[in-house]
Amino acid sequence: QQQVKQSPQSLIVQKGGISIINCAYENTAFDYFPWYQQFPGKGPALLIAIRPDVSEKKEGRFTISFNKSAKQFSLHIMDSQPGDSATYFCAAVKGGAQKLVFGQGTRLTINP
Amino acid sequence: DGGITQSPKYLFRKEGQNVTLSCEQNLNHDAMYWYRQDPGQGLRLIYYSQIVNDFQKGDIAEGYSVSREKKESFPLTVTSAQKNPTAFYLCASSAAHHGTQYFGPGTRLTVL
Repeated sequence: QQQVKQSPQSLIVQKGGISIINCAYENTAFDYFPWYQQFPGKGPALLIAIRPDVSEKKEGRFTISFNKSAKQFSLHIMDSQPGDSATYFCAAVKGGAQKLVFGQGTRLTINP
Repeated sequence: DGGITQSPKYLFRKEGQNVTLSCEQNLNHDAMYWYRQDPGQGLRLIYYSQIVNDFQKGDIAEGYSVSREKKESFPLTVTSAQKNPTAFYLCASSAAHHGTQYFGPGTRLTVL
């Protein structure tokens, strides 16, 4: 019940295309869902986050879509660029617990 | 300039030696965390601390130890009992009762 399942494991997208990464969870107590971006040899950096009281959050080219009834959320990267090539992790946490549960990560490659 | 620093960036250890990884934050965060990341894998929680002089085991605490004597510091010792310590170690911190964790740049530990 504590797992967050992330797919796909790897993704190749052409420059200018839309990258879509999906996550699913079981624990309905989760109430905060961040996405992290990690470049090789670096620490993960917070990209965007959402709470379940909204269905969508957009920041620039990055959008989180949230489906509370299906217990799924996804990251969409519009107009994908080679600089977006990185590993992306979704995560979930329940209020006050502070222990983030991470997905397994998606290695995204944007071909020029 | 606020953030999380980890040192050293690279660390080499002979089998049977204990090594200590440093993590310092000046974000005034109450909570701090240690994660382990293996190649192509997600993040696994080793230990976390929500307050000074208190810490809890994460999912893979065996062979590791921590201390939290100061709010800004959370060093991790990798002991000789850790069977496979070669990995990328990440430290993170967060404000109390808030899901957003901020990561340091990581330490890559290699056992020779």
